[in-house]
Amino acid sequence: DADVTQTPRNRITKTGKRIMLECSQTKGHDRMYWYRQDPGLGLRLIYYSFDVKDINKGEISDGYSVSRQAQAKFSLSLESAIPNQTALYFCATSDPGQGPVETQYFGPGTRLLVL
Amino acid sequence: GNSVTQMEGPVTLSEEAFLTINCTYTATGYPSLFWYVQYPGEGLQLLLKATKADDKGSNKGFEATYRKETTSFHLEKGSVQVSDSAVYFCALEIKAAGNKLTFGGGTRVLVKP
Repeated sequence: DADVTQTPRNRITKTGKRIMLECSQTKGHDRMYWYRQDPGLGLRLIYYSFDVKDINKGEISDGYSVSRQAQAKFSLSLESAIPNQTALYFCATSDPGQGPVETQYFGPGTRLLVL
Repeated sequence: GNSVTQMEGPVTLSEEAFLTINCTYTATGYPSLFWYVQYPGEGLQLLLKATKADDKGSNKGFEATYRKETTSFHLEKGSVQVSDSAVYFCALEIKAAGNKLTFGGGTRVLVKP
């Protein structure tokens, strides 16, 4: 079974609708992230959470909100979807550990189309 | 701020050709460097990493050397296969700055038989 899962894998919605993307992980990591991927722009960080009580905005948080329901679950909401939020969304997890580098583990992605 | 620049694709190669994908970075601090790979329809997977100057990361026949003097981390493979067709992302992380990854724009590689 995958360590990081995302639901749904694909979603089509209409402008103005509220939608939620969900992420679950079985890696036992405290840190979780939401990114969006747009062609030619790489991945950009939307929100991140270093533990259940710690949530932080990333570089492109406008129009999004998140909820960290438990260590294993981190949900991303689009309060009122707009077409330029059409993108591929990735969830990731990591564990700071003691070493010099922290590896992030990514889910399979959710492809969102806003009409 | 931090940024990563990598060559634009797509890069189209024949099987067994030599692959190089250039990556340069700017960073306020001392970064760790990564290459991630995204196969069609999948999420990103860590391909290799390097944490300090002159370190060489390697995996699956790919290599990249952390060059502090040129702020580069170019990815190379001596003989590509069709199965190497994917999008490759260069990224940096500064642990002291909260471990947030900064990604380049990605380079699509297509290997033809």
